[in-house]
Amino acid sequence: NAGVTQTPKFRILKIGQSMTLQCTQDMNHNYMYWYRQDPGMGLKLIYYSVGAGITDKGEVPNGYNVSRSTTEDFPLRLELAAPSQTSVYFCASSRRQGDGYTFGSGTRLTVV
Amino acid sequence: GESVGLHLPTLSVQEGDNSIINCAYSNSASDYFIWYKQESGKGPQFIIDIRSNMDKRQGQRVTVLLNKTVKHLSLQIAATQPGDSAVYFCAETPYNNNDMRFGAGTRLTVKP
Repeated sequence: NAGVTQTPKFRILKIGQSMTLQCTQDMNHNYMYWYRQDPGMGLKLIYYSVGAGITDKGEVPNGYNVSRSTTEDFPLRLELAAPSQTSVYFCASSRRQGDGYTFGSGTRLTVV
Repeated sequence: GESVGLHLPTLSVQEGDNSIINCAYSNSASDYFIWYKQESGKGPQFIIDIRSNMDKRQGQRVTVLLNKTVKHLSLQIAATQPGDSAVYFCAETPYNNNDMRFGAGTRLTVKP
């Protein structure tokens, strides 16, 4: 199994541009999450989903949007990128609430 | 608000010694605790978890201790190896909650 796959691994955006970070998992997990990790900081939850068609905001949702049309995919959309969104983004999934997460390898995003 | 934090940002140990990484949490409603290991350029990897109805849990070379009285969590690594060098995060979440909160991490360096 591939686990959680994120693309791209690296991206540089100009201020005001938009992009979608892709995340897919092949473990048939219901729960999926997007976190951002700033240097020297812990991970902060952006959005999460408890199943296809259901999404909810986390701790830092502003400037982001998500959708969950299938169990496998959970893309994160950045509209009007800002320098404050420069970070490493991690997607994760879990089989059920209260389980440990399986993380992807991350997307390093720089907004200039 | 409630937060998860770590006592030490860095820890350096000699190969073969035991390592102890500490974590303090402040949310008394936390029910589930996890330790993750993050190697450079990779996503966090689940190491071991513990629920609030337990004080100790052992895995392969790792032990997690939970002291609910003082809201303290620790990760013990026996016979530390160079491959254990990484950043270690503790994470906590209350029961029936999808917002897992992460500490800032402790960087463990193993000297040969």
